[in-house]
Amino acid sequence: DADVTQTPRNRITKTGKRIMLECSQTKGHDRMYWYRQDPGLGLRLIYYSFDVKDINKGEISDGYSVSRQAQAKFSLSLESAIPNQTALYFCATRDGNTEAFFGQGTRLTVV
Amino acid sequence: TQLLEQSPQFLSIQEGENLTVYCNSSSVFSSLQWYRQEPGEGPVLLVTVVTGGEVKKLKRLTFQFGDARKDSSLHITAAQPGDTGLYLCAGSYAPSTNAGGTSYGKLTFGQGTILTVHP
Repeated sequence: DADVTQTPRNRITKTGKRIMLECSQTKGHDRMYWYRQDPGLGLRLIYYSFDVKDINKGEISDGYSVSRQAQAKFSLSLESAIPNQTALYFCATRDGNTEAFFGQGTRLTVV
Repeated sequence: TQLLEQSPQFLSIQEGENLTVYCNSSSVFSSLQWYRQEPGEGPVLLVTVVTGGEVKKLKRLTFQFGDARKDSSLHITAAQPGDTGLYLCAGSYAPSTNAGGTSYGKLTFGQGTILTVHP
């Protein structure tokens, strides 16, 4: 089983719909991150969390919200999806400032 | 605003050539990492550098951290088609304060370099 699991892997949704992307990890790490990747580009930080009571905005948090339900679970929500939120979304975890481990990504298309 | 500038954005070379990718910021990093990403996968760590002036080698890849810990480079010698991929630098900045107290570990990525090595 993967250390970092994202669900769903692919999703097509309509403009205005609410959608949740889920991430769970089995590595026991305290830190979890949500990133967005557009074609041919690097990763942009949406939100990050250092524990269930510590959630911080990244560079592009507008239009997104998150919930850290447990140390192992960190979900990303789009309250009202719009087409320019079409992208590849990655969840990552790490222990302190060490290596970040990524899920396989969720490809989201908003039509 | 903390910003990581990575260059070049695209690099297309022939097998056997050498290349260098740069990662720069106006801020000081507590550590910097280089990742490689294949299509359809998440990034995978290549190396972490933490000390100013540090040089690390991984087979044909050489990573250097600037003396002031504001910049880094990745040099590939005798590139091979298997080196093709997206290379990303990522920086962890000095401790940042949030509502819960002082915390480390915001991880910010550069824009990436798409490397294509032709046989």
